[in-house]
Amino acid sequence: AQTVTQSQPEMSVQEAETVTLSCTYDTSESDYYLFWYKQPPSRQMILVIRQEAYKQQNATENRFSVNFQKAAKSFSLKISDSQLGDAAMYFCASRSNYGGATNKLIFGTGTLLAVQP
Amino acid sequence: DADVTQTPRNRITKTGKRIMLECSQTKGHDRMYWYRQDPGLGLRLIYYSFDVKDINKGEISDGYSVSRQAQAKFSLSLESAIPNQTALYFCATSEVAGGKADTQYFGPGTRLTVL
Repeated sequence: AQTVTQSQPEMSVQEAETVTLSCTYDTSESDYYLFWYKQPPSRQMILVIRQEAYKQQNATENRFSVNFQKAAKSFSLKISDSQLGDAAMYFCASRSNYGGATNKLIFGTGTLLAVQP
Repeated sequence: DADVTQTPRNRITKTGKRIMLECSQTKGHDRMYWYRQDPGLGLRLIYYSFDVKDINKGEISDGYSVSRQAQAKFSLSLESAIPNQTALYFCATSEVAGGKADTQYFGPGTRLTVL
C-alpha cells in the first residue's frame, strides 16, 4: 500500500525568504506521480507542482521547485522568495500511473505554512 | 466560470437526515472522485468513477453512496447522516491521457456539519 508522510505539522518563514517542506512516501509501484497541493483559507485545493517518478530532473514552477530523491523516497517542496499569499496548508500526495483501481491520490496529513511579514 | 463546481458550499443538517452533495464539471473528464477531509488526517477517498457505468468504493465508503448521472455529474449521498460525517468534502476530476491517468483537479469543497 502507498503511504505519504509529512513530518512537519507547521512551518514558518519570513517574507522573501526560502522554505522547504518535507515529504516522504512509500510505494511498491515503479511508475507513479508525486504532487504538491496548496490549500489556502478559501479551502480550494490548488495544484502547485507535480513530478513523474521516471523523470530524474526536478520539476520547477516559477518560485516552486522540488527535490526528488527516488532512492530515498523523498519529495520536498522548496518555496523561494516567499510571499504572504503562500500562506496555506500544503499537502504532498502520490498516485500510481497504472490507471486502474490503484489510480487514486494518497495524501499526507499536511504542513501549515505561515508567512511572516 | 469554475471548471469543477460543488453545491452546496456549506450545509448544516441533523442526525438521521438524508443529504446529497452535487458535483459538476465542464472539463470533459471521464474520471470523477469524492474525497473527505478531516483535520489532521488529510484527504481520504470515498468513491470514484471512471465513467458513467463504472463506480468503485474508496477507502471509507461506509455510510455513503454515489450516483454518476452523466459524464459531467457525480453526486454523493449520505442516506442517514451522523455527526462523525461532519467534514469538508471535495469532488475531483481527471482524464486519461496516453493511457495514463492525469492530474486530479478539485472543486471548491462542501463544508458539511451534522448536528
